[in-house]
Amino acid sequence: SQQGEEDPQALSIQEGENATMNCSYKTSINNLQWYRQNSGRGLVHLILIRSNEREKHSGRLRVTLDTSKKSSSLLITASRAADTASYFCATEYFNKFYFGSGTKLNVKP
Amino acid sequence: SAVISQKPSRDICQRGTSLTIQCQVDSQVTMMFWYRQQPGQSLTLIATANQGSEATYESGFVIDKFPISRPNLTFSTLTVSNMSPEDSSIYLCSVGGGGETQYFGPGTRLLVL
Repeated sequence: SQQGEEDPQALSIQEGENATMNCSYKTSINNLQWYRQNSGRGLVHLILIRSNEREKHSGRLRVTLDTSKKSSSLLITASRAADTASYFCATEYFNKFYFGSGTKLNVKP
Repeated sequence: SAVISQKPSRDICQRGTSLTIQCQVDSQVTMMFWYRQQPGQSLTLIATANQGSEATYESGFVIDKFPISRPNLTFSTLTVSNMSPEDSSIYLCSVGGGGETQYFGPGTRLLVL
């Protein structure tokens, strides 16, 4: 299977704290994308990072990619209750996307 | 970015029946994909919908169970055939790839009784 793993599976933090989620994958990739899903609804695209990039920022989000370790991390700074959702990484491999197992983030107000 | 719609948004079906899910994109796209998300799980790629040729299925998914059509560059259908309760999932179509952002439709929630 091409699917990756994410950890932790679940994360509970207080509002204002930072949240870090990690994604590991198995094969060489073209790029890696992070998504958010609220309560089983549609997926919202957060960030795309290409295999030749090491770090990207978007607002309160910071994504790193380490291709030598086949891993990526998503950092959400100054979290808000509205950030409560499931977060997934997806790797592109030969024009197909494979999703990680996901992290359920709960931000307590 | 692409705007993607799916029909139906949800359905409740009896076992043994079939359901066809439609996916419409507001622009022509090369790559279209179908995913399944079982309750509490991540997304699993079912197949790549190819325009003008047969879909390419991932391991564990077969055409007889999940026939796919792609008549043009803006539309695709996925049929879930001979359904059982294990087919209860969210089915999502997506477009994109080739190094660019992948966009998802809102999903079709299917419950099989």
